[in-house]
Amino acid sequence: NAGVTQTPKFRVLKTGQSMTLLCAQDMNHEYMYWYRQDPGMGLRLIHYSVGEGTTAKGEVPDGYNVSRLKKQNFLLGLESAAPSQTSVYFCASTDGGDRNTGELFFGEGSRLTVL
Amino acid sequence: DAKTTQPTSMDCAEGRAANLPCNHSTISGNEYVYWYRQIHSQGPQYIIHGLKNNETNEMASLIITEDRKSSTLILPHATLRDTAVYYCIVSNTGTASKLTFGTGTRLQVTL
Repeated sequence: NAGVTQTPKFRVLKTGQSMTLLCAQDMNHEYMYWYRQDPGMGLRLIHYSVGEGTTAKGEVPDGYNVSRLKKQNFLLGLESAAPSQTSVYFCASTDGGDRNTGELFFGEGSRLTVL
Repeated sequence: DAKTTQPTSMDCAEGRAANLPCNHSTISGNEYVYWYRQIHSQGPQYIIHGLKNNETNEMASLIITEDRKSSTLILPHATLRDTAVYYCIVSNTGTASKLTFGTGTRLQVTL
């Protein structure tokens, strides 16, 4: 099992450009999450999903959109990138419903720089 | 979710036990205590969690006080590879496991 895979791992954008980060998990997890981590800070939740076709806002959702068209994939989109979105983005997944224990499995991160 | 308080940093000699404290005085009855760690810039890694009983696994032990207002993560024999930021999180799994990561404790294991 690959676990949680994030693509791309590094990206440099110019202000105003758009891009999509892809998160894929092969553990058949119901719940998926996108976090961002700025230097010296903890992780902040951007958006999350509790199942295919559903998404919800987290703590810092502005400037981002997400989609969960397939259970194994969770996409994070930046429509018009801003320098404030320079960060490391982490995707995570976990079991849902009665199988949920709160043990999140994280990807290795995607480092995004917006110039 | 309840807020947690952790020391900013700690040092530990290799081979010794590392005891990382966490205060969560406003914890609710149905909230679990979770510990994660983040090595360098990697994704966070789950360590252990518990409700009110002490827990142990292959990585660590979790000691929760009887009033549940604080807990301690114990790494019994710290190695250099345990150098990381350790996060103590309190959460109710009924909230879709939306874990809130603070700034954690930076543990430095030295020779």
